[in-house]
Amino acid sequence: SAVISQKPSRDICQRGTSLTIQCQVDSQVTMMFWYRQQPGQSLTLIATANQGSEATYESGFVIDKFPISRPNLTFSTLTVSNMSPEDSSIYLCSVVISGANVLTFGAGSRLTVL
Amino acid sequence: QKEVEQNSGPLSVPEGAIASLNCTYSDRGSQSFFWYRQYSGKSPELIMFIYSNGDKEDGRFTAQLNKASQYVSLLIRDSQPSDSATYLCAVGGANSKLTFGKGITLSVRP
Repeated sequence: SAVISQKPSRDICQRGTSLTIQCQVDSQVTMMFWYRQQPGQSLTLIATANQGSEATYESGFVIDKFPISRPNLTFSTLTVSNMSPEDSSIYLCSVVISGANVLTFGAGSRLTVL
Repeated sequence: QKEVEQNSGPLSVPEGAIASLNCTYSDRGSQSFFWYRQYSGKSPELIMFIYSNGDKEDGRFTAQLNKASQYVSLLIRDSQPSDSATYLCAVGGANSKLTFGKGITLSVRP
């Protein structure tokens, strides 16, 4: 199984600022995704992080708000831009490991926006 | 829009009992089915996956899939207090993207 490191693990941010979350995997992966879990809710897919190209966003999510980079097979970043209290959530990096077909999650980044 | 529905819960069972968790999905083209467990304040962890109709057993856990009825379930035998958590049903298509249900909270009473 892969070790997925996310940072920061938690942060408190001011309205209007931006925060970048990093995800590092210790294995080569075929797919990387970013999910959001709002308080008391299930997981919602934000986007698929594509290596070397623009991410593929799900309905309701846009690049200007959630820019994503994936410069190589094992690293990705998600930026939450111009934050508002509604962005308070847990953001989870998840991967599918090469040769497997199951989704594994990082520990998540808990953001609180004041 | 793909939907995954789970019983609203919460579900409470006594220690040693069988806990039955149910899930239905809307997309007949779904190919993979997963159960994740999420403890409070933690990220989801995979318990079981199933791809074919029928039952799949792993220790105290059994996943059941009926594609004709678009139904997947998870049975937990000999429930333990440590099984108390939120259980998320997830359904996938051909591209590894998963759609999650809202989850059901299970409480196992000692």
